[in-house]
Amino acid sequence: EDKVVQSPLSLVVHEGDTVTLNCSYEVTNFRSLLWYKQEKKAPTFLFMLTSSGIEKKSGRLSSILDKKELFSILNITATQTGDSAIYLCAVVEYGNKLVFGAGTILRVKS
Amino acid sequence: DTEVTQTPKHLVMGMTNKKSLKCEQHMGHRAMYWYKQKAKKPPELMFVYSYEKLSINESVPSRFSPECPNSSLLNLHLHALQPEDSALYLCASSQDPAGVLWTQYFGPGTRLLVL
Repeated sequence: EDKVVQSPLSLVVHEGDTVTLNCSYEVTNFRSLLWYKQEKKAPTFLFMLTSSGIEKKSGRLSSILDKKELFSILNITATQTGDSAIYLCAVVEYGNKLVFGAGTILRVKS
Repeated sequence: DTEVTQTPKHLVMGMTNKKSLKCEQHMGHRAMYWYKQKAKKPPELMFVYSYEKLSINESVPSRFSPECPNSSLLNLHLHALQPEDSALYLCASSQDPAGVLWTQYFGPGTRLLVL
């Protein structure tokens, strides 16, 4: 059965810390991997990764994919309280199916 | 503009009611999705429409009936729901599903409570 596993399940850090969120997957027909941030409402798109070893960056956030070892990481540097959210990893399969991991709950304390 | 809109934002209904959730996007996306999300859980895929045709139904009970009237609109008709159907219902859309690179953009969701 296809699965996406995120770790840790939850994390509490202080403002200014750097965090690394992990996502490993076992799916057939892999197309791409997506990272989302979810606060109170709908998930907000962060990154789409399709190729190994190419880092995507957006401000303090960055992500990279390893298709050989079947995992991705999401890094957040200089964390702020506004980064507190659930971070969801999802793998896109052929046939337009999106398989989500359980998410990592990040809380940034001031 | 990467906006997907959903109405209503909140809905309370009884088990005998019939109601509909609506989703709209004007990004020219040709794939649209319904997800159900329970508290502290990730979204679960319910239906996928590609080019206005139902392409995936994840064994969803028939009390949920999707409809795609045109390429911009997606409805979810609800009838005889159960209290355990209470959840956040998310709509999403993406570009041409036959393409290699695409991202799903989510609407704000409809929070449904079934009494």
